[in-house]
Amino acid sequence: AQRVTQPEKLLSVFKGAPVELKCNYSYSGSPELFWYVQYSRQRLQLLLRHISRESIKGFTADLNKGETSFHLKKPFAQEEDSAMYYCALSGIYSGGSNYKLTFGKGTLLTVNP
Amino acid sequence: DAGVTQSPTHLIKTRGQQVTLRCSPKSGHDTVSWYQQALGQGPQFIFQYYEEEERQRGNFPDRFSGHQFPNYSSELNVNALLLGDSALYLCASSAVGVGGYTFGSGTRLTVV
Repeated sequence: AQRVTQPEKLLSVFKGAPVELKCNYSYSGSPELFWYVQYSRQRLQLLLRHISRESIKGFTADLNKGETSFHLKKPFAQEEDSAMYYCALSGIYSGGSNYKLTFGKGTLLTVNP
Repeated sequence: DAGVTQSPTHLIKTRGQQVTLRCSPKSGHDTVSWYQQALGQGPQFIFQYYEEEERQRGNFPDRFSGHQFPNYSSELNVNALLLGDSALYLCASSAVGVGGYTFGSGTRLTVV
């Protein structure tokens, strides 16, 4: 069974402080990992995926297969980063239809001024 | 590009009734998935449609059914509504072989 665990339901930091949102996963095989973000009153949107290795809005995430983790990090948090963050995984496409996404329960990040 | 569009945005139904939710995928996308998001929870996978067939299904009862049309749009039907079906229903689309789904704004279903 595939599972995503986000141990922190709430995370509060001050502006300019580093932030790390934790994500651990369980998957038999090679997964693809994602971070989705949902700002207040907006739709869920893709923040980054491990395969592209991009840095979006200053956020980075490294897939650690040994620790089965995909933590999201940003060195200096901004107030506009306040949002709900979801970690998700799917299988890597190998033909047929796409794999489903399995989400964690999410972490609500609040960046205080 | 309008992205993924869902209708209606809000809906109130009575227990035992049936409901149909609609989704138009992003231009160029051929795969549609449906998710249920209860309050305070992450989205839960209901099922996925590709080439007008249900390809994968999550742990949801048969009361939940769907359809995909030749233009790739999709419907989610829920029969015999229960209070516990109250949730935000999200539609997500993607192009086959390409990861990273695009989500719609959702339909907020309230069962009373």
